[in-house]
Amino acid sequence: QVQLVQSGSELKKPGASVKVSCKASGYTFTNYAMNWVRQAPGQGLEWMGWINTNTGNPTYARGFTGRFVFSLDTSVSTAYLQISSLMAEDTAVYYCARERAPYSSSFDWGQGTLLTVSS
Amino acid sequence: QSVLTQPHSASGTPGQRVTISCSGSSSNIGSNTVNWYQKFPGTAPKLLIFGNNQRPSGVPDRFSGSKSGTSASLAITGLQSEDEADYYCAVWDDSLSGVVFGGGTKLTVL
Repeated sequence: QVQLVQSGSELKKPGASVKVSCKASGYTFTNYAMNWVRQAPGQGLEWMGWINTNTGNPTYARGFTGRFVFSLDTSVSTAYLQISSLMAEDTAVYYCARERAPYSSSFDWGQGTLLTVSS
Repeated sequence: QSVLTQPHSASGTPGQRVTISCSGSSSNIGSNTVNWYQKFPGTAPKLLIFGNNQRPSGVPDRFSGSKSGTSASLAITGLQSEDEADYYCAVWDDSLSGVVFGGGTKLTVL
């Protein structure tokens, strides 16, 4: 069965960087796009963008350019989200989500990674 | 301000039927399939309905989805206390070239 296992909670200081991992199993990693979704405290789900797991080409949603980087290590079926120059507003739960079909917005989800940015 | 509009809240008593709406536009709901997610606090979203009206295996048939024009709806029949959760619609938007989520609806079982 499809499983997406994310790395654990992170506590970071403003200005630092963080790298969240998402290890996939139960399917051929390069056959399905990987998306990233954020949920800030008390807010709804926000799509951050996706990465083509076949080519490695990332696409970022508006508001997630510059400090956000999606990457892959296909040898270990793992996707990464790196956020630099962290700010308090980056405090949120970050989810990786496998897209079940192209441009379908139909996702299988990782368990989420809580990122807290605080001095 | 979400591209997709959902009511902030909905409620019903056990056994009732409730519906949650999701209103969009021609560039999203009007031209692509809608998905619905159920989310409990502290847990990941769960796919409830995909392709407008398809249920993944394991999802009870009390949950159903429909779409008409630029709007979609999620219906829950035989409401149960365990259905108390947040519900989100999601769809691909051709104009934005990305996925858009509704703002979410908090369902309360009275």
